[in-house]
Amino acid sequence: DIQMTQSPSSLSASVGDRVTITCQASQDIRHYLNWYQQKPGKAPKLLIYDSSNLETGVPSRFSGSGSGTDFTFTISSLQPEDIAIYYCQQYEDGITFGQGTRLETK
Amino acid sequence: QVQLQQWGAGLLRPSETLSLTCAVYGGSFSGYYWTWIRQSPGKGLEWIGEINQSGSTNYNPSLKSRVTISLDTSKNQFSLKMSSVTAADSAVFYCARGGGQYEIWGQGTLVTVSS
Repeated sequence: DIQMTQSPSSLSASVGDRVTITCQASQDIRHYLNWYQQKPGKAPKLLIYDSSNLETGVPSRFSGSGSGTDFTFTISSLQPEDIAIYYCQQYEDGITFGQGTRLETK
Repeated sequence: QVQLQQWGAGLLRPSETLSLTCAVYGGSFSGYYWTWIRQSPGKGLEWIGEINQSGSTNYNPSLKSRVTISLDTSKNQFSLKMSSVTAADSAVFYCARGGGQYEIWGQGTLVTVSS
C-alpha cells in the first residue's frame, strides 16, 4: 500500500496568512494526487485534482503543486471559511488518504 | 446538479451484515465509477471499493472478503454490503462519484456496531 504522510497534523494561522500543507507519498505517484477540504459533519469536498488542477467553483486562493513523492497545498490568503481539515489522496496505486491537517485560526 | 442520497441501518450487532444504498439524482449513471468510502477516528478515510455502470468492481484488498458492491441501473442506485461486522467497522460511510477523484459525495451514514 502507498502511505500518504501529511504535515503538519495541525496548524494555527491568522486570517490573511499564507498557509502551506505538505503531503509525502511512500513511493512515486506521478501527479495522481488530490486535495480535499472537510468541515464538521460534512463530506469531504474536492478542491484540487491531479496535483495542481483547481476543481470548478473552488476559489483561486487554493492551489497545489508537486509530482513524484512530494506535494504542496497552499491557501494564499486564509479566509474564515477555510477553517477545516484538509486531506491529500493518491490514486496511482489503489486509493489512500493522508491522515489530515487540522487548520485553525489564531 | 447531480446529488447522491444514501441510507441504511445505523446500528448493528457484531457479526451482522451492513447494508447501505446510494441513489443518484439529477445526472447520468453511466460513464462513471461509483464508490464507497468510510471514515473513522482510528483509520481516517478508507476507500472500500467501487463499481462502474457495467458492474465491474474493485475492492480494497483488506476488506474484499467481506464486501460486495452492486448496482441497480433501473433505479440509479448502488449498494454496499459488508458482512461479519465488528466494532472496528464503526464509521461514517460515504458514497461518492468517481474512480480516483471524488467530486460528488453523499451526506454520510453513521454506522455503529455494538452489542
